[in-house]
Amino acid sequence: DTGVSQNPRHKITKRGQNVTFRCDPISEHNRLYWYRQTLGQGPEFLTYFQNEAQLEKSRLLSDRFSAERPKGSFSTLEIQRTEQGDSAMYLCASSAPGAAEKLFFGSGTQLSVL
Amino acid sequence: RKEVEQDPGPFNVPEGATVAFNCTYSNSASQSFFWYRQDCRKEPKLLMSVYSSGNEDGRFTAQLNRASQYISLLIRDSKLSDSATYLCVVTTPTDSWGKLQFGAGTQVVVTP
Repeated sequence: DTGVSQNPRHKITKRGQNVTFRCDPISEHNRLYWYRQTLGQGPEFLTYFQNEAQLEKSRLLSDRFSAERPKGSFSTLEIQRTEQGDSAMYLCASSAPGAAEKLFFGSGTQLSVL
Repeated sequence: RKEVEQDPGPFNVPEGATVAFNCTYSNSASQSFFWYRQDCRKEPKLLMSVYSSGNEDGRFTAQLNRASQYISLLIRDSKLSDSATYLCVVTTPTDSWGKLQFGAGTQVVVTP
């Protein structure tokens, strides 16, 4: 499978716990994005990387959220001290050089915070 | 005010009919425009880019009206498989190229 891969597909956690999600982009894609989507809304930008550099982070993003892409390949998104409002679908996407606006999304990680 | 606004629908369309809907954007400096399609419980997928002169891709036609700051999508000869949520996407030069702004989507339901 050469698409964007995300793990896990589903995560149920208790409020206050930390969670980490992983994204493996399409191998030749240099840009990687994290979005969050709730029911009835479009994807909301969280952050993006070009290679290993994190170039932008949403001003709306709490300090409890952190993302890494240490070797410019896979990325992790960590949420510390989860809150019920963090419940959402977390989508990862990647894009190729010269086609930055053509995003290929993974299937997402559905987070439920109880 | 949201930067990208769409009529949520649903637009109920008989099979074979034509449906059209718009998306408005608030930033006049916006430069790039796209339509993405999202099936229920699936990830968004790029449907088509929207060019200044308008463009077609098979049964789909996209238009851009910069003066009134909206883009449109028209679907001709609707198929059952066209049932989905259509997301309007806008980028602006003041944003990072990575930061595509998504609308909340317009739901289209094609009925037999």
